[in-house]
Amino acid sequence: QSVLTQPPSASGTPGQRVAISCSGSSSDIGSNTANWYQQLPGTAPKLLIYSNNQRPSGVPDRFSGSKSGTSASLAISGLQSEDEADYYCAAWDDSLNGWVFGGGTKLTVL
Amino acid sequence: DVQLLESGGGLVQPGGSLRLSCAASGFTFSDYAMSWVRQAPGQGLQWVSTISGSGSSTYDADSVRGRFTISRDNSKNTLYLHLSSLRAEDTAVYYCARTQTMIVVAPFDPWGQGALVTVSS
Repeated sequence: QSVLTQPPSASGTPGQRVAISCSGSSSDIGSNTANWYQQLPGTAPKLLIYSNNQRPSGVPDRFSGSKSGTSASLAISGLQSEDEADYYCAAWDDSLNGWVFGGGTKLTVL
Repeated sequence: DVQLLESGGGLVQPGGSLRLSCAASGFTFSDYAMSWVRQAPGQGLQWVSTISGSGSSTYDADSVRGRFTISRDNSKNTLYLHLSSLRAEDTAVYYCARTQTMIVVAPFDPWGQGALVTVSS
């Protein structure tokens, strides 16, 4: 069982906007920033969003992140077929003194 | 260009040991904390261990503490994970990852391609 809670699946049609939630606690997201990783099929994860809402160089501005209290959210606008992937949230946990991940959300582009 | 290349994966019997290596290039290795993250077949990501740039501080997940040891050789630009007392549930692809900045709690960026460890008799 993952420390951070994500919906196991999400879906949308091309061009739509989808949002993926990530629920944590006071010791992880509540105290530290949230990060999001994208894992395309058969590949290693890639940093997608860091510090709640920052995009690394090369990540399209269709991807955005936000945080409120002990929860974070990833939004993808203008959905494209190549966005079909698994998405994971993560945060440092001050109680565990280590990183915690969400269980992952499989995004399907219909 | 930053590159991370894992090696050392393979099949090992329950109770056995294995050492994974991660060769780094394209950046000043000793400036960055490094981590191991694993992914069991068909499952999500699980953080394993993190080591500071100097190697003086290490952090381990409860599930591996006392069995796995993270270390680094900054003269060889190489990160290691020594796995011992292996169990079937340790079967996973093990990724090495650099922190995005010099801060230990910075996110993982980039990641290596992964090394598969299979624990089975």
